Amino acid sequence: QKEVEQDPGPLSVPEGAIVSLNCTYSNSAFQYFMWYRQYSRKGPELLMYTYSSGNKEDGRFTAQVDKSSKYISLFIRDSQPSDSATYLCAMTKLTGGGNKLTFGTGTQLKVEL
Amino acid sequence: DAGVTQSPTHLIKTRGQQVTLRCSPKSGHDTVSWYQQALGQGPQFIFQYYEEEERQRGNFPDRFSGHQFPNYSSELNVNALLLGDSALYLCASSSLVSGGGAEAFFGQGTRLTVV
Repeated sequence: QKEVEQDPGPLSVPEGAIVSLNCTYSNSAFQYFMWYRQYSRKGPELLMYTYSSGNKEDGRFTAQVDKSSKYISLFIRDSQPSDSATYLCAMTKLTGGGNKLTFGTGTQLKVEL
Repeated sequence: DAGVTQSPTHLIKTRGQQVTLRCSPKSGHDTVSWYQQALGQGPQFIFQYYEEEERQRGNFPDRFSGHQFPNYSSELNVNALLLGDSALYLCASSSLVSGGGAEAFFGQGTRLTVV
């Protein structure tokens, strides 16, 4: 079993829809949770960064972390065609050695006109 | 702010050859990590460098080695290339010592093709 599970999709929604992307994980030691957006053949771009449980909002994006269920979500409101990309969840526990990130496989999202 | 820069952008090598990839971290960052991303997969952690030392290593063979320079830039070296080494190689920078937390910023990647 992978440490981080993420539905690969593809997920196709109409423009303006609310998108919900999710990841589950098995390692209860993870403390920091991130969402990255990756366009085709580009490097991942950091969208949201949260510590421990709770919600964080940034514009059209909301990240939720439920550590008791080992479940994290990213919501995108008023989705746009420019949001079409692969969304990667990542998580880590800070140790004296560093911040190794463990990623999900990514969910491919297409927002259609 | 130039962000994280990687070179080259693309590279084609023959099986058995050696390759060196380069990364300059984001201004103010002191820690560099390398990841391998196969097509359709999430990035897999190779190793991380801080203060010119390898601090953490993922499940990759010794053919993968690295280096960090005093200016915090880094190199990833892969020896005896295999077809399976074909992937997007990503560099990420972060600032652990200055209390920047766990967030990491990625470069655009180097796409390596082994033929």
